[in-house]
Amino acid sequence: AQRVTQPEKLLSVFKGAPVELKCNYSYSGSPELFWYVQYSRQRLQLLLRHISRESIKGFTADLNKGETSFHLKKPFAQEEDSAMYYCALRNTGGFKTIFGAGTRLFVKA
Amino acid sequence: NAGVTQTPKFQVLKTGQSMTLQCAQDMNHEYMSWYRQDPGMGLRLIHYSVGAGITDQGEVPNGYNVSRSTTEDFPLRLLSAAPSQTSVYFCASSPSLTLAADTQYFGPGTRLTVL
Repeated sequence: AQRVTQPEKLLSVFKGAPVELKCNYSYSGSPELFWYVQYSRQRLQLLLRHISRESIKGFTADLNKGETSFHLKKPFAQEEDSAMYYCALRNTGGFKTIFGAGTRLFVKA
Repeated sequence: NAGVTQTPKFQVLKTGQSMTLQCAQDMNHEYMSWYRQDPGMGLRLIHYSVGAGITDQGEVPNGYNVSRSTTEDFPLRLLSAAPSQTSVYFCASSPSLTLAADTQYFGPGTRLTVL
């Protein structure tokens, strides 16, 4: 069965510190993976997707098929990064997206 | 463009009541979906649609009905509300069928409480 696991409910770091939000998945095929973010009082929005290999707002995520992980990283956290982050998986060629439970990131001044 | 709109923002129901959550988008998107968000469980897909007249079930469809008579609208109906349906409901749309789960645009959500 498809599953997305985000082991940390809450992650608290100081401004300027590196941050890593963990995401592990189980899927038998070749998945497409995404990170979505929800800032306070804003809508859920796409942050980045593995297929694009992009860096958005200083965040990157590398798909590790051997470890079935898609961790989100940023070398220097900023206060405005405080938000709820969701890792998500889509079955290739399908229309269903599976979300993890989410990690709340709190960046302290 | 208003994007994805949802009404109402808040709703309180009694057990057994029925209601419809409205979702509309003005971006001419083919794909639309409904999720519920519960603490500690993330977002779970209820139903989705790949175009007018076409709908399918997601992870947690029981207790909910949908229809897609137009491209713009995708209402979610609760037939007989139960306390377990207390949640925040999000509607989302996406422009492309081949990238259906890629760059989904979310609505602001409806917070539903069932007493």
